[in-house]
Amino acid sequence: NAGVTQTPKFQVLKTGQSMTLQCAQDMNHEYMSWYRQDPGMGLRLIHYSVGAGITDQGEVPNGYNVSRSTTEDFPLRLLSAAPSQTSVYFCASRPTGAAAEQYFGPGTRLTVT
Amino acid sequence: LAKTTQPISMDSYEGQEVNITCSHNNIATNDYITWYQQFPSQGPRFIIQGYKTKVTNEVASLFIPADRKSSTLSLPRVSLSDTAVYYCLVGARGGGFKTIFGAGTRLFVKA
Repeated sequence: NAGVTQTPKFQVLKTGQSMTLQCAQDMNHEYMSWYRQDPGMGLRLIHYSVGAGITDQGEVPNGYNVSRSTTEDFPLRLLSAAPSQTSVYFCASRPTGAAAEQYFGPGTRLTVT
Repeated sequence: LAKTTQPISMDSYEGQEVNITCSHNNIATNDYITWYQQFPSQGPRFIIQGYKTKVTNEVASLFIPADRKSSTLSLPRVSLSDTAVYYCLVGARGGGFKTIFGAGTRLFVKA
């Protein structure tokens, strides 16, 4: 199993540009989520999904869209990038039910100039 | 969601035992306590989870008193490679869809 994969690893955007961060998992996990981590800070939940076709907002959803058309993929879309969205973005997944552990991807480092 | 409070940072030396305490005064009856570890430039990694008393695995021990209002992560004989940020989370096991991370405790292990 590849686990949780994220692409790209690094991205530089200009203010106002849009892009999609990709996240995929091959563990058949129902639950997936996106976090952002600013330098020296903890992780903040952006959006999450409990299964295909179901998404909900986390702590800091503004400026981001998500969709979940398949169990495997959970892309994060930046609609109009702003410098405040410069951060490292982590995708995570876990099974629902009694599972405890979330599995995190390697992260995407995004810089908005 | 139960709020957690943990020290911002801790220093230790190689070979020492490190105990990181997390306060969660409003923990709910069905909440579990989970700890994650994060190295620089990596995503967090699950360490341990418990509900009450003591849990031990190959990496750490987790001590939870009877009132469950706090918990202590114990790392035996730390090495330089244990330098990381440690997060304490409280939530329903499996049903905690909004898994919220706090600021964590930055542990620095010195030689």
